[in-house]
Amino acid sequence: AQKITQTQPGMFVQEKEAVTLDCTYDTSDPSYGLFWYKQPSSGEMIFLIYQGSYDQQNATEGRYSLNFQKARKSANLVISASQLGDSAMYFCAMRELYNQGGKLIFGQGTELSVKP
Amino acid sequence: DAGITQSPRYKITETGRQVTLMCHQTWSHSYMFWYRQDLGHGLRLIYYSAAADITDKGEVPDGYVVSRSKTENFPLTLESATRSQTSVYFCASTLAATYEQYFGPGTRLTVT
Repeated sequence: AQKITQTQPGMFVQEKEAVTLDCTYDTSDPSYGLFWYKQPSSGEMIFLIYQGSYDQQNATEGRYSLNFQKARKSANLVISASQLGDSAMYFCAMRELYNQGGKLIFGQGTELSVKP
Repeated sequence: DAGITQSPRYKITETGRQVTLMCHQTWSHSYMFWYRQDLGHGLRLIYYSAAADITDKGEVPDGYVVSRSKTENFPLTLESATRSQTSVYFCASTLAATYEQYFGPGTRLTVT
């Protein structure tokens, strides 16, 4: 069965430093996608970055990059040069691409606090 | 408004009452989803729909009913609300199964 694990309930980082949020996954499907979403205190879910299981390179979007280690089944989010506005909940999610109707399975989230 | 909207944004209801949460998207996305978010559980899928008139159960469907007569609307009904259904409900949509999902702003439901 699909499973997403985020082992860090809370993280602190100093402003302007980089931080890595961990995510491991489990699936038997060779075709899948991995997502990261940000949820600020206002509650909305904001899509950050996507990595496909067949992508050769790690995904990057501005200050966000995804450290994809397929053999280890990990998809860690790296935020470079943290800003105060990065303080939020971060969710890792997975989707098996060709079945299950595009459903996302979410991890329990990591709450990131950026210190000035 | 363009995008995906949910109504109401906040709702308080009593145990046993029927409640319908509305979701509307303007992109003509094929896929739509309902999730609930509870502390300690992240987001869990309640129901999803691949197209109009096609719906299927997710991880936690008990006590909920959905319909999708039009592509743009995907209402979620709690037939007889219980306190355990107090939660934040998110609707989402996507163009295709391989694309990212776009989320609505959420509905905070309290069942007393």
